[in-house]
Amino acid sequence: QQPVQSPQAVILREGEDAVINCSSSKALYSVHWYRQKHGEAPVFLMILLKGGEQKGHEKISASFNEKKQQSSLYLTASQLSYSGTYFCGTVTSGSARQLTFGSGTQLTVLP
Amino acid sequence: DGGITQSPKYLFRKEGQNVTLSCEQNLNHDAMYWYRQDPGQGLRLIYYSQIVNDFQKGDIAEGYSVSREKKESFPLTVTSAQKNPTAFYLCASRVGGDYEQYFGPGTRLTVT
Repeated sequence: QQPVQSPQAVILREGEDAVINCSSSKALYSVHWYRQKHGEAPVFLMILLKGGEQKGHEKISASFNEKKQQSSLYLTASQLSYSGTYFCGTVTSGSARQLTFGSGTQLTVLP
Repeated sequence: DGGITQSPKYLFRKEGQNVTLSCEQNLNHDAMYWYRQDPGQGLRLIYYSQIVNDFQKGDIAEGYSVSREKKESFPLTVTSAQKNPTAFYLCASRVGGDYEQYFGPGTRLTVT
């Protein structure tokens, strides 16, 4: 079952902060975050694993609440380059690492 | 440079024709994936392969077929049985374990 992302869209001014949420009805093994520019391939941002381990870019901040099966991506002091669609992908099984993606959050950063 | 290549970037076909999308990686990754993306939507898994000569259906495998004869290659065939084949197709690979998936640039398929 597909994770639910919120909000669906957000518009910011440069320098403002944003939070993107991802929620699943299933017990999660890990959560992955990607950003996609229009017509391009998704780019990896971060992995959050059950147990607290995180892998990703130093400038990206995220959290994973294992009890609630929720993850949040924190974008601080946003830049114009942050614009794009953010997807969370969830893994429910540790064996196949099969990702199920949410429908995305469109982020627009204005000057 | 290591990476994933997909060709062609744009592909046009007539309805009723099968078409094969190429995906090659030189990252020495074990796992490879095919996703479909429709406008304004997320990515949906078509097929995936964790090792050579083995692959599993994803959520929307009907009308598609794959092969994994070499570690580097994971071609996807869109058959005439696929009802709505027009979409953006993305290939990805992963080294294994708890690591990220790397995506290719995608192929935009238009069937008329």
